[in-house]
Amino acid sequence: AQSVTQPDIHITVSEGASLELRCNYSYGATPYLFWYVQSPGQGLQLLLKYFSGDTLVQGIKGFEAEFKRSQSSFNLRKPSVHWSDAAEYFCAVGGSYNTDKLIFGTGTRLQVFP
Amino acid sequence: GAVVSQHPSRVICKSGTSVKIECRSLDFQATTMFWYRQFPKQSLMLMATSNEGSKATYEQGVEKDKFLINHASLTLSTLTVTSAHPEDSSFYICSAARYGQGHEQYFGPGTRLTVT
Repeated sequence: AQSVTQPDIHITVSEGASLELRCNYSYGATPYLFWYVQSPGQGLQLLLKYFSGDTLVQGIKGFEAEFKRSQSSFNLRKPSVHWSDAAEYFCAVGGSYNTDKLIFGTGTRLQVFP
Repeated sequence: GAVVSQHPSRVICKSGTSVKIECRSLDFQATTMFWYRQFPKQSLMLMATSNEGSKATYEQGVEKDKFLINHASLTLSTLTVTSAHPEDSSFYICSAARYGQGHEQYFGPGTRLTVT
């Protein structure tokens, strides 16, 4: 079965601290992996994506993610969190075509304390 | 490039009426568009996949007669919620796949539907 698991529903960090959001997937074919961020009442913004090649991918806003095939994981990281990073983060997996369905995780809500 | 718009951004309607939501790809052609529904503090649930010129493919459990989807052109898909009820109140998001290019979908800003 195809699925995405984000084990952490809610994470709280202090501003300036490092961040890692976990994502595990189950997908029958070669996975194409995405991280999106959603601010309250807003649509989704793509942070980064992995299709092939270097397993460490850089995204916008200082985020990066590492694809680990052996662990079926695609964890999102940021070395120093800013208060403006507080939002909902979704991991998603899709197929090799952009017409394939995306499967979303349940999301992780990030709260940042000053 | 690759901008997707939705209209309206917010809509309030009375129970029993119908409401139409538009999803447009502004600067590219999209053979496939997707419609999602998101309840508060929850993830996105795919409702249907819309292909230009053909009938939409609905996910299991989604009422096709209630959520009418039309994809009449390569830049426009519409979702009509018929005979809306308060339980249809939700955040509806569309995404579009750029024809012949890339692996990613582009998301619209969403439409907040409130049924009173």
